[in-house]
Amino acid sequence: SQTIHQWPATLVQPVGSPLSLECTVEGTSNPNLYWYRQAAGRGLQLLFYSVGIGQISSEVPQNLSASRPQDRQFILSSKKLLLSDSGFYLCAWSVSLAADTQYFGPGTRLTVL
Amino acid sequence: AQKVTQAQTEISVVEKEDVTLDCVYETRDTTYYLFWYKQPPSGELVFLIRRNSFDEQNEISGRYSWNFQKSTSSFNFTITASQVVDSAVYFCALTSGTYKYIFGTGTRLKVLA
Repeated sequence: SQTIHQWPATLVQPVGSPLSLECTVEGTSNPNLYWYRQAAGRGLQLLFYSVGIGQISSEVPQNLSASRPQDRQFILSSKKLLLSDSGFYLCAWSVSLAADTQYFGPGTRLTVL
Repeated sequence: AQKVTQAQTEISVVEKEDVTLDCVYETRDTTYYLFWYKQPPSGELVFLIRRNSFDEQNEISGRYSWNFQKSTSSFNFTITASQVVDSAVYFCALTSGTYKYIFGTGTRLKVLA
């Protein structure tokens, strides 16, 4: 069966520091991968998606970037964090892009102080 | 434009009561897909159901049931004989054949012992 991992689970970072969040999927090949952000008490906002190694599409222009160095690895980064980057970051995967079910990881709670 | 409305921000019920979570959607597409996810306090989004626009049959899975009505653009979720473990935030989502999910803002369900 497929499983999706994210780490770290929680992170507290000062403003201006760099960020690297990692997501890995097991049990499937060539998944579509997604990064979402959930601000406190709000819905989910799609940040990036990827259909393959090195292929990243950005949904919202912002302070963050994403990379996919390996088939089942998806990384969310920032060079300098802002207070507004605080939130709950969720990684998800799906088999196809066409209205397929997305399965989510456990998330990373980021607090920027 | 597509939209998902979950008008109930928070619902509290006593254990063993039945509860219905409302989801109203807007789309001009004839083909679309609706989802429900559960987000327990741990944060991970757990997939519950996926339904396409051509299948209006209601679905039952144990204590969970879903009522899809195209005439009212609703996809409501009922938990029968609620339990404390059902306490979570529940999200309804919509997509029209792509990777872009439109999420509602969620309904927080509190089941009291």
